[in-house]
Amino acid sequence: AQSVTQLDSQVPVFEEAPVELRCNYSSSVSVYLFWYVQYPNQGLQLLLKYLSGSTLVESINGFEAEFNKSQTSFHLRKPSVHISDTAEYFCAVSDVGDDKIIFGKGTRLHILP
Amino acid sequence: NAGVTQTPKFQVLKTGQSMTLQCAQDMNHNSMYWYRQDPGMGLRLIYYSASEGTTDKGEVPNGYNVSRLNKREFSLRLESAAPSQTSVYFCASGRQGAFNEQFFGPGTRLTVL
Repeated sequence: AQSVTQLDSQVPVFEEAPVELRCNYSSSVSVYLFWYVQYPNQGLQLLLKYLSGSTLVESINGFEAEFNKSQTSFHLRKPSVHISDTAEYFCAVSDVGDDKIIFGKGTRLHILP
Repeated sequence: NAGVTQTPKFQVLKTGQSMTLQCAQDMNHNSMYWYRQDPGMGLRLIYYSASEGTTDKGEVPNGYNVSRLNKREFSLRLESAAPSQTSVYFCASGRQGAFNEQFFGPGTRLTVL
């Protein structure tokens, strides 16, 4: 059965510092992987996704994630965070051919001034 | 395009009352989903509909019913609300064959007293 583990429920980081949000998944088949972001009092928005091909995927606002099949990980990184990155981030996995997505429990990113 | 819309935005119920949460999408998506979000639990799938006329249970269906009224609309009904159903409810839609990317509504915050 699929599952997603986000190892940190909260991550505090100073503005302009780098950050890594960790995500591990379990699945016995080929998968699609996603990071969604939820800004305060809003719905979820897709940040980036891995479908196939290059294992490094990027978002338009400077985040990147790398698919590591051997470690079943899909960690999210940003080299320099901004106060506007304050949000909750959800890692998610979907089996190829399945309509459903399984979400992790989320990591709340706190940007410290 | 409005994307995914949900009504109401907020609702307070007493235990035992019933209500229906409405969801509509204007992206011509086949698949629609209802999730609940609770602190520290991430998003959990309640019900989903892969196409007009079909519905299936998700991870936490007990106490809920759904109706896929047409391709655009997917409603969630609580027949007899309980305090354990206090949550934020999100509707999402997705296009089959589009690698399972889902688009989310803004959410309904429900409190059951």
